[in-house]
Amino acid sequence: QKEVEQDPGPLSVPEGAIVSLNCTYSNSAFQYFMWYRQYSRKGPELLMYTYSSGNKEDGRFTAQVDKSSKYISLFIRDSQPSDSATYLCAMSAGGNQFYFGTGTSLTVIP
Amino acid sequence: KAGVTQTPRYLIKTRGQQVTLSCSPISGHRSVSWYQQTPGQGLQFLFEYFSETQRNKGNFPGRFSGRQFSNSRSEMNVSTLELGDSALYLCASSLRPGEGSPLHFGNGTRLTVT
Repeated sequence: QKEVEQDPGPLSVPEGAIVSLNCTYSNSAFQYFMWYRQYSRKGPELLMYTYSSGNKEDGRFTAQVDKSSKYISLFIRDSQPSDSATYLCAMSAGGNQFYFGTGTSLTVIP
Repeated sequence: KAGVTQTPRYLIKTRGQQVTLSCSPISGHRSVSWYQQTPGQGLQFLFEYFSETQRNKGNFPGRFSGRQFSNSRSEMNVSTLELGDSALYLCASSLRPGEGSPLHFGNGTRLTVT
């Protein structure tokens, strides 16, 4: 079983839709959670960074962590064509080794 | 503030050759990590350096090696290249190891082995 599971998609939504991206994990020691956005031919760009359980909001993006269910989510409100990218979840137990999901490919259709 | 810089952006090599990739971290970041990204496996951890010392190593053969210099810049080397080494190699820097200090990635070096 992989440490982090992420549905690869692809996910296609109309512009303005709410997008929900999810990851599950198996290691209960994970306490730092991140979401990255990766455009084609670019490196991953840090979007959200959260510690432990709870919600964090930044503009159109909301990250949720449910440690009891070992489940994290990223919500994108009012999705735009520029949000079309691959979204990667990542998590760490506190050392500097991070575990990544395989990424979900998102396309927002104008 | 400049981001993580990786050179070169693209490389084409032949099986059996060796290659060296370079990474300059964000100014002030002292921890550098390397990841291999492939469509099938996603991002896989190669190794992490802090203060010129390798702190962690992933599950890769000894053909993969790296080092960090006193100015925090890092290089990774792959010897005796195999076709399966074709991938995007990503360097990431962070302020310090531990405490989940988030990684900031460069745009990678795309290595193609023929």
